[in-house]
Amino acid sequence: KQEVTQIPAALSVPEGENLVLNCSFTDSAIYNLQWFRQDPGKGLTSLLLIQSSQREQTSGRLNASLDKSSGRSTLYIAASQPGDSATYLCAVNQAGTALIFGKGTTLSVSS
Amino acid sequence: SAVISQKPSRDICQRGTSLTIQCQVDSQVTMMFWYRQQPGQSLTLIATANQGSEATYESGFVIDKFPISRPNLTFSTLTVSNMSPEDSSIYLCSVEAPGEEKLFFGSGTQLSVL
Repeated sequence: KQEVTQIPAALSVPEGENLVLNCSFTDSAIYNLQWFRQDPGKGLTSLLLIQSSQREQTSGRLNASLDKSSGRSTLYIAASQPGDSATYLCAVNQAGTALIFGKGTTLSVSS
Repeated sequence: SAVISQKPSRDICQRGTSLTIQCQVDSQVTMMFWYRQQPGQSLTLIATANQGSEATYESGFVIDKFPISRPNLTFSTLTVSNMSPEDSSIYLCSVEAPGEEKLFFGSGTQLSVL
């Protein structure tokens, strides 16, 4: 059974710092992996989707990497801003199942 | 992309009552998904709703407790029936927009059961 783990559960950093959020999964047979951002009262927003054949995807200050063989993904946020404060979720997509989510990392960026 | 309007955004309900959550999508989609997020937990899929057929429920979820309607390709409802405090969660609807693999989510319904 696929399990998705995110470390750390919470992270506090000062504005301007670069940071890395980690996601690991137990079964490497995935189609893709997505990173989402969750804001209170605003649902989830898809940030990046990495296909199983890809190594990384970039969008602005965000860079997500995928090492399928080791079951790991990272989300790199450059030059963090207070507006980046949110909960970040990773989710894997496998054949025959719905997206399987981690519990998320709650990020707080102070000004 | 897809824009999803979900309501209510939050509600406080009494034990034993039922609440119906609505999701409206700005485009026609084949499948709509309903998720639950319990406090401190990850999202768990409740069921997949296809237009014109009965919803498909995941293990641990049953139609009597979570009846779902899908009358057309842009709308769905989820009812949480005979509520207990254990049903206090965030409920989210989600769709996969045509031609895209990304999932788009509604803003969620924060449910508290007293």
